[in-house]
Amino acid sequence: GESVGLHLPTLSVQEGDNSIINCAYSNSASDYFIWYKQESGKGPQFIIDIRSNMDKRQGQRVTVLLNKTVKHLSLQIAATQPGDSAVYFCAENPASGATNKLIFGTGTLLAVQP
Amino acid sequence: DADVTQTPRNRITKTGKRIMLECSQTKGHDRMYWYRQDPGLGLRLIYYSFDVKDINKGEISDGYSVSRQAQAKFSLSLESAIPNQTALYFCATSGWVGNTIYFGEGSWLTVV
Repeated sequence: GESVGLHLPTLSVQEGDNSIINCAYSNSASDYFIWYKQESGKGPQFIIDIRSNMDKRQGQRVTVLLNKTVKHLSLQIAATQPGDSAVYFCAENPASGATNKLIFGTGTLLAVQP
Repeated sequence: DADVTQTPRNRITKTGKRIMLECSQTKGHDRMYWYRQDPGLGLRLIYYSFDVKDINKGEISDGYSVSRQAQAKFSLSLESAIPNQTALYFCATSGWVGNTIYFGEGSWLTVV
């Protein structure tokens, strides 16, 4: 079946270090991927997205890498700050063209140590 | 002001009671969704609507119903609440295919 999973449920990093959060997906037909950040008591917030015709996309302090060969997605956060502490979800859109029915991973908790 | 607003933000209700969660959006999006979030299970889709005349079941629609009153409003109802419906509920919206889904702040529902 289709699934989106994360390799590490919890990631602890020192402030200022770079963070890498990983995600595996199983549907090779998925054409769109998103990373969300969810802070305690809030709804998920869009961070960055990438389409399947790209391998890399950069935002402000964040980079998403897509490896379609091994069906792997990663989120890199540069110079991690305390405000980056949150749960991070990856999501995939398994249907090409017709819907926005995203499949979400269970999330990785990023804990930034001062 | 939030683009996607949910009410109530917190509610405790008794088993068997009817409860409605309301959602309104100012993003002008046609597509609206209701998700449920449980620890360790991620976000699961309950219902979605691609326009005012369109309602579709998601993966966990049993025990829930929805109403799309207008482009900007999408409500979720639990006709007879049960304890395993205790969860965090999110309303969300999106534009056309491939666009990002934007979430509300969530509604905590506890069924006792």
